[in-house]
Amino acid sequence: LAKTTQPISMDSYEGQEVNITCSHNNIATNDYITWYQQFPSQGPRFIIQGYKTKVTNEVASLFIPADRKSSTLSLPRVSLSDTAVYYCLVVLNYGGATNKLIFGTGTLLAVQP
Amino acid sequence: NAGVTQTPKFRILKIGQSMTLQCTQDMNHNYMYWYRQDPGMGLKLIYYSVGAGITDKGEVPNGYNVSRSTTEDFPLRLELAAPSQTSVYFCASSTGLADPYEQYFGPGTRLTVT
Repeated sequence: LAKTTQPISMDSYEGQEVNITCSHNNIATNDYITWYQQFPSQGPRFIIQGYKTKVTNEVASLFIPADRKSSTLSLPRVSLSDTAVYYCLVVLNYGGATNKLIFGTGTLLAVQP
Repeated sequence: NAGVTQTPKFRILKIGQSMTLQCTQDMNHNYMYWYRQDPGMGLKLIYYSVGAGITDKGEVPNGYNVSRSTTEDFPLRLELAAPSQTSVYFCASSTGLADPYEQYFGPGTRLTVT
């Protein structure tokens, strides 16, 4: 599985757009890019997954350039409740038992009032 | 649906004691997982299961055992607890499908071994 690199921490203010970039230079053709969010004292929660170009859902957007060596999670108009750790992971696209999640240390996003 | 539930929420063990962490899911997921998370770190996979009666080791299985007698339940057994097993333990489940590859996590069990 491709190793991912992301900033250890980021600061933002309420109402701003936050972009968290993840590097995955060795991503394979079959890999998806997946993001999870973890609040203190809770288990991680799936946010969004993509393969290429742009994916948007009700909470975030994921931008993946053509070379797929990096991806950017975009959180529009963050609030204090978006303070959490955000993990970027790659997963194989055929599912199954071998499709394990490998968590790094993630990016701690701190949103200030 | 309750999703993934874990008991207990907190536990303090003495060195050498044993205990079982319970995990139950009501989503009829075939795949279930146990992770541990040490302070300031990401999650590490301990064991996983692809269905009743089938389990396999993850990254850090030493000191743990699992069983999967039903689709719903996936208990994690700690034998001879050691201080290095002080951690937060998360159980998760998934359909195993790739798109999206979503695991549903329980609230965690905070274990301290002294």
